[in-house]
Amino acid sequence: DIVMTQSPLSLPVTPGEPASISCRSSLSLLQSNGYNYLGWLLQKPGQSPHLLIYLGSNRASGVPDRFSGSGSGTDFTLKISRVEAEDVGVYYCMQALQTPLTFGQGTRLEIE
Amino acid sequence: EVQLVASGGGLVQPGGSLTLSCAASGLTFNNYWMHWVRQAPGKGLVWVSLTESDGSTTYADSVKGRFTISRDNAKSALYLQMNSLRAEDTALYSCVGFSSNGACWGQGTLVTVSS
Repeated sequence: DIVMTQSPLSLPVTPGEPASISCRSSLSLLQSNGYNYLGWLLQKPGQSPHLLIYLGSNRASGVPDRFSGSGSGTDFTLKISRVEAEDVGVYYCMQALQTPLTFGQGTRLEIE
Repeated sequence: EVQLVASGGGLVQPGGSLTLSCAASGLTFNNYWMHWVRQAPGKGLVWVSLTESDGSTTYADSVKGRFTISRDNAKSALYLQMNSLRAEDTALYSCVGFSSNGACWGQGTLVTVSS
C-alpha cells in the first residue's frame, strides 16, 4: 500500500496569515496521463470530510481560491493564502492512484 | 454541480445487516470508479471497497465476505450491503468517486453497531 505522510501534524495559525501543509507519498502519484492522483480533504469539527483539491491542484466546486495545491510525483503542498476562522479542522491528503485508497495522518489547524 | 448523497445509516445490533446507498448527480457516473471510505469515531480515514466502471469489485480484508458493493449505472447509484456487522464496523461511511480527470466526495452516513 502507498504510505502518505503529512507534516506538521498540528498547525497553529493567526487569522490573516498564510499556512502550508506538506504531504509525501511512498510512491510517485504521477500517472502517464500527466495527472497526479493526490487529493486534499478538510474535516471541520463535527462534520464529514469534504474535498478541497483533486488531481494535485484542482479546486473542488465551491472551494475558496485562498486554497491551492501544488507538487508532483511524491511531494505535495496545500497552501492557504490567508487563514480564516472557518478554516479550522483536520486536513488530510490522500492518494487515488492505487487501491486501497490511503490517507495521511491528518493535520489539525487551529486558530491562535 | 457534482453531488454524492449517502443514506441508509443507523443503529443496528451486532450480527445484523444494513444497506447504504449513495445517489450521484452532476457527473457521468459510469466514468467513475466508486469507493466507500469509513471513519471510526475519533480515528482516521480507511478505505473499505471499490467498484470499477464495469462493476468489478475489491474489498478491504476487514470486510471481505461480509460486505458487498454494487452500482447501478442507469440510476447513478452506489450501494453497500453490510452483513454480520460488528462493533468495530461503527463508523461514518462516505461514498467517493474518481475518474481519469475528476473526483467527488459525498457527506457521510453514520452506522452504529451496538446492542
